[in-house]
Amino acid sequence: DAKTTQPTSMDCAEGRAANLPCNHSTISGNEYVYWYRQIHSQGPQYIIHGLKNNETNEMASLIITEDRKSSTLILPHATLRDTAVYYCIALQGAQKLVFGQGTRLTINP
Amino acid sequence: GAVVSQHPSWVICKSGTSVKIECRSLDFQATTMFWYRQFPKQSLMLMATSNEGSKATYEQGVEKDKFLINHASLTLSTLTVTSAHPEDSSFYICSASPWEEYEQYFGPGTRLTVT
Repeated sequence: DAKTTQPTSMDCAEGRAANLPCNHSTISGNEYVYWYRQIHSQGPQYIIHGLKNNETNEMASLIITEDRKSSTLILPHATLRDTAVYYCIALQGAQKLVFGQGTRLTINP
Repeated sequence: GAVVSQHPSWVICKSGTSVKIECRSLDFQATTMFWYRQFPKQSLMLMATSNEGSKATYEQGVEKDKFLINHASLTLSTLTVTSAHPEDSSFYICSASPWEEYEQYFGPGTRLTVT
């Protein structure tokens, strides 16, 4: 699986868009980019995934660069409940998820 | 949809005893379930992958005789921590993938404390 790198922590004001970057420069052509988040003392929650095209769902948008070496998860209107650790994972098919340290996002009032 | 439950949510047991944790997919059938462990301030570490009706595949360094996994049906997997020791105290999380999907849906986790 491609290794991903994320900033250790980020802060964002409530109501603003939170943009979480992820680098995956060694990603292969058939590896998807998945995003999960983990709120304190809970199991991880699936957010979104994509291969090449940008994706949007009710939770977030995923912007993948044309060369696929990086991506950005966008939470359009962050709330206090979005405070969590966000994990960016690159994997192919049914491979097992390998969690890195993720980005600790803090939404401030 | 895609809800995974775990039972119990927390458990305290004495050193040397065994503890069973259940993981259920409530509204879908899961041919594959995964078990993770998470120590404080650390990320999730995959322990094993279980497929319904077959033996679990354990990650390197995970003792299969200590962490017994049974995936007897398409909606239930169990993890039994045998002869528990204080160092087994951790947050245990399961996940499940619906048939023919790659997304994993996670349970709420079980906090085990061994005294």
